[in-house]
Amino acid sequence: GPKVLQIPSHQIIDMGQMVTLNCDPVSNHLYFYWYKQILGQQMEFLVNFYNGKVMEKSKLFKDQFSVERPDGSYFTLKIQPTALEDSAVYFCASSPSVLGDQAPLFGEGTRLSVL
Amino acid sequence: QQKVQQSPESLSVPEGGMASLNCTSSDRNFQYFWWYRQHSGEGPKALMSIFSDGDKKEGRFTAHLNKASLHVSLHIRDSQPSDSALYFCAARMSNYNVLYFGSGTKLTVEP
Repeated sequence: GPKVLQIPSHQIIDMGQMVTLNCDPVSNHLYFYWYKQILGQQMEFLVNFYNGKVMEKSKLFKDQFSVERPDGSYFTLKIQPTALEDSAVYFCASSPSVLGDQAPLFGEGTRLSVL
Repeated sequence: QQKVQQSPESLSVPEGGMASLNCTSSDRNFQYFWWYRQHSGEGPKALMSIFSDGDKKEGRFTAHLNKASLHVSLHIRDSQPSDSALYFCAARMSNYNVLYFGSGTKLTVEP
């Protein structure tokens, strides 16, 4: 079936550095999301993205965070600069539409370790 | 306050037994509910959705929704060790494209 691919699966960086997490969503999906999960606990919504724009974002989506999908390529989450509390697993998801019963499809996650 | 609350935090059932998971929303604007399952080291995968009051059955899984009390439940009959995972209730408001997750229930099915 269709899959959301996330690259890399694990990223280790020093605090203060920039990091870009990459997501390859399902080809015909229109809505894209990032979620943050700490220690295998609650999935926290960060941001969603449609038609080249951020639609909604949570308080967790700090000023150091940005998202883009240039020319239909990877949907990316950039953190610049990183902080220790950014260590978590970040999940990308995509869905074909906003309305209806289509549940977002999640990737396998990128584990980010900020040292 | 979390918008979606789940209970219990963890649950252990014997193989072949029935597992019952609960979810309550604090916001009456939530209209659409899903159950997701996450195995260790993987992303969450949608199990089933429920949007109308009553029961919805898919194989060994039955979801129940009571919109008046904002309560959703998931019942797994004939539980298998492969059902051992973290289960999330997720809810969305009409015309608002954010899925809010509960804190999860860790289910362990003992052989």
